[in-house]
Amino acid sequence: QSALTQPPSASGSPGQSVTISCTGTSSDVGAYIYVSWYRQHPGKAPRLMIYEVNKRPSGVPDRFSGSKSGNTASLTVSGLQAEDEADYYCFSYAGSSHIFGTGTKVTVL
Amino acid sequence: EVQLVESGGGLVEPGGSLRLSCAASGFTVNNAWMHWVRQAPGKGLEWVGRIKRESNGGTTDYAAPVKDRFTISRDDSRNTVFLQMTSLETDDTAVYYCTTDEWCANGVCHPVVSWGQGTLVTVSS
Repeated sequence: QSALTQPPSASGSPGQSVTISCTGTSSDVGAYIYVSWYRQHPGKAPRLMIYEVNKRPSGVPDRFSGSKSGNTASLTVSGLQAEDEADYYCFSYAGSSHIFGTGTKVTVL
Repeated sequence: EVQLVESGGGLVEPGGSLRLSCAASGFTVNNAWMHWVRQAPGKGLEWVGRIKRESNGGTTDYAAPVKDRFTISRDDSRNTVFLQMTSLETDDTAVYYCTTDEWCANGVCHPVVSWGQGTLVTVSS
């Protein structure tokens, strides 16, 4: 099963918003609510930012939001801050398996 | 506080075996879908496999590259999940993480934000 498709890079100035897409199929992203997003800083372990499409764990800033339409999920980071510069990965349940996205490097200009 | 601590990584020759451990605290692994995820040097995250919580049958599933070589198990008495790796290949070289998005008990689910620090597996002769 191929990885979910994410844009390799995205960028924005401080205070701006950036949206990252995650495109799968009707067998994974399109079929289930179990889509998560992780942020990973260089040399660090990933951290859960969004789960079940649009749920935000306690401690995650409300600048982070998730959504889904058809086979594509999206993560929006509003009010970009320097700490948001990192790699972002989506992750989806696919029935008998799970699958990560290809990853997006977000740069804060 | 929820914490996951992986251990057991190291250098192993191609064809060798290794068992990784993931010790959990702050929640019961039997109440969560526990995943193993790996990240090769300079690469993205790759799902390795998962064991479901007991209430969902406790079954396991694996990614195609590791199916029939890797096995996930759980020891509830030690609140630990294991990844038994056999017939290791150079492409298995990676940092291995265990993780879960949430654990559930008494009908309430709690997200898990932090991952462990991972354990490095290097397959080389």
